Amino acid sequence: EVQLVESGGGLVQPGRSLRLSCAASGFTFDDYAMHWVRQAPGKGLEWVSGISWNSGSIGYADSVKGRFTISRDNAKNSLYLQMNSLRAEDTALYYCAKTITGEFDAFDIWGQGTMVTVSS
Amino acid sequence: QLVLTQSPSASASLGASVKLTCTLSSGHSSYAIAWHQQQPEKGPRYLMKLNSDGSHSKGDGIPDRFSGSSSGAERYLTISSLQSEDEADYYCQTWGTGINVFGTGTKVTVL
Repeated sequence: EVQLVESGGGLVQPGRSLRLSCAASGFTFDDYAMHWVRQAPGKGLEWVSGISWNSGSIGYADSVKGRFTISRDNAKNSLYLQMNSLRAEDTALYYCAKTITGEFDAFDIWGQGTMVTVSS
Repeated sequence: QLVLTQSPSASASLGASVKLTCTLSSGHSSYAIAWHQQQPEKGPRYLMKLNSDGSHSKGDGIPDRFSGSSSGAERYLTISSLQSEDEADYYCQTWGTGINVFGTGTKVTVL
């Protein structure tokens, strides 16, 4: 079964850091690009960051550029998001998503999400 | 700038059809998109990838009631024989070099 399981969310104070992880299973992880997408409470989907199959292509939303870093470890079938200088507006459910190819493309598999709350 | 525009809401009766529209910004009419469904209190689910020529490939297990089509910069999702479980938010997604974009979503209500 193809599965993505996010972890690492929680309550964090403004200005602090948090690292999210996404464990992939059921498919050949290093064949596909991966992404982080977030959804603030009651709001729509917002793309956060994406990384191609070999980390050769990486992108960030303007709202997180310079604060968040995406990475992947193909040997561990894992995707990461290092989030620094967190702000209240980063509060959201963070989803990990797989694309249908190795480059930026349609998302075909979604995780269940991990909640990040930024508050003092 | 790559932008997707969606109407905020749509409704139709049980058993009827509804057609949702996603419009690509100027200069991007050749882009493919994807449609995703998000039922209340659930994560998103991939429905299909839709190309500019109207060809589309659906995700595993997506019923035939869901179909896609294209015209110029507009991408459509048609849901036929509406069922109660189709009441959800529907998002379109597109991508370019180092970027991904979502539309603001359309909330579908089944009357």
